Amino acid sequence: EAGVAQSPRYKIIEKRQSVAFWCNPISGHATLYWYQQILGQGPKLLIQFQNNGVVDDSQLPKDRFSAERLKGVDSTLKIQPAKLEDSAVYLCASSLRGRDTFYEQYFGPGTRLTVT
Amino acid sequence: GDSVTQMEGPVTLSEEAFLTINCTYTATGYPSLFWYVQYPGEGLQLLLKATKADDKGSNKGFEATYRKETTSFHLEKGSVQVSDSAVYFCALSGAGYSTLTFGKGTMLLVSP
Repeated sequence: EAGVAQSPRYKIIEKRQSVAFWCNPISGHATLYWYQQILGQGPKLLIQFQNNGVVDDSQLPKDRFSAERLKGVDSTLKIQPAKLEDSAVYLCASSLRGRDTFYEQYFGPGTRLTVT
Repeated sequence: GDSVTQMEGPVTLSEEAFLTINCTYTATGYPSLFWYVQYPGEGLQLLLKATKADDKGSNKGFEATYRKETTSFHLEKGSVQVSDSAVYFCALSGAGYSTLTFGKGTMLLVSP
């Protein structure tokens, strides 16, 4: 079974530029998560999708971050404009379901973003 | 809100030594508790979990017991191997929720 795919694996941009990350979840997984992992910290949830609807985006900085999950499969996370403090690893995860109960989340390898 | 506190690393051990990584939590209700592991260059993987008080999660020689009275979920392994070198994250899922709250992670380095 293929795991969660993410691209690119690494990205270096200058502040105020824009960047986009792509995630392809495990086939059949209805729930998709984006996490931000700053160096030395644990992952922090940015946004959770159930199919193509947003379940939780309370910690997403909506003035600069946006995410979409078209057709309930792939997802894209965008940052525009980027700030230095956005340097982090962006992790995508998926699970079978997950609105009211826990299903194991499977994580992708992440995209390491460096903002200079 | 919910939070997880785990011991700072790195934890440096020799092969076959005993491992303990401490984890305590703050949450309302009765959360589920997890340990995730992140090997170099890879994504996080679920190592073990416990969903109610006194449950013991175990996998690959690792164990952790859900202690409600001390709000703890310490990770243990009797004999570590070099291949166990990784970053270990303690996490919780609040009652009725599917999202995870992670600790900061503890790096484990095992030398031959």
